[in-house]
Amino acid sequence: SQTIHQWPATLVQPVGSPLSLECTVEGTSNPNLYWYRQAAGRGLQLLFYSVGIGQISSEVPQNLSASRPQDRQFILSSKKLLLSDSGFYLCAWSVQGAYSPLHFGNGTRLTVT
Amino acid sequence: KQEVTQIPAALSVPEGENLVLNCSFTDSAIYNLQWFRQDPGKGLTSLLLIQSSQREQTSGRLNASLDKSSGRSTLYIAASQPGDSATYLCAVPHTGGGNKLTFGTGTQLKVEL
Repeated sequence: SQTIHQWPATLVQPVGSPLSLECTVEGTSNPNLYWYRQAAGRGLQLLFYSVGIGQISSEVPQNLSASRPQDRQFILSSKKLLLSDSGFYLCAWSVQGAYSPLHFGNGTRLTVT
Repeated sequence: KQEVTQIPAALSVPEGENLVLNCSFTDSAIYNLQWFRQDPGKGLTSLLLIQSSQREQTSGRLNASLDKSSGRSTLYIAASQPGDSATYLCAVPHTGGGNKLTFGTGTQLKVEL
């Protein structure tokens, strides 16, 4: 069966520090991968979308970047965090092809102080 | 631009009650609609996915219906239990294709003993 892992579960970082969140998927090949953010009082917002290694689509302008160095590894990064980067970050995967169900990890709670 | 609305924002019911959660979307040209559950501080768990060609889907005590022409979906929960307490989110694929989802802001459900 397929599983998705995200870490760390929680993170407190000062403004201006770098960020690296990691997500890995097991039990499937060539998945679509996604990063979403859930800010307090707001819905989920799609940040990045990837259909393959090195193929990243950014959905909103922001202080963050994403990379996919391996087929089942998706990394969310920032060189300098802002207070507004605080939120709950969720990684998800789906099988290739349109309109298949999304499966989410347990998320990372990021607090920028 | 697709917009997804969920009503009510919060709901509190006694155990055993049947209940209905509502989801509406502005662009009816969708390929499917997915319902998720989110427990506090956790990721999303996929509950049901209804294809555009379907009218409803059932899983245990859950039944989801879809009316594309009116831009609405409902999630029916039968014989509610305290363990059903969570936030329920609906989501539809972005207009224009692909598997990127637009989420509603959710309905926070509390089932009391």
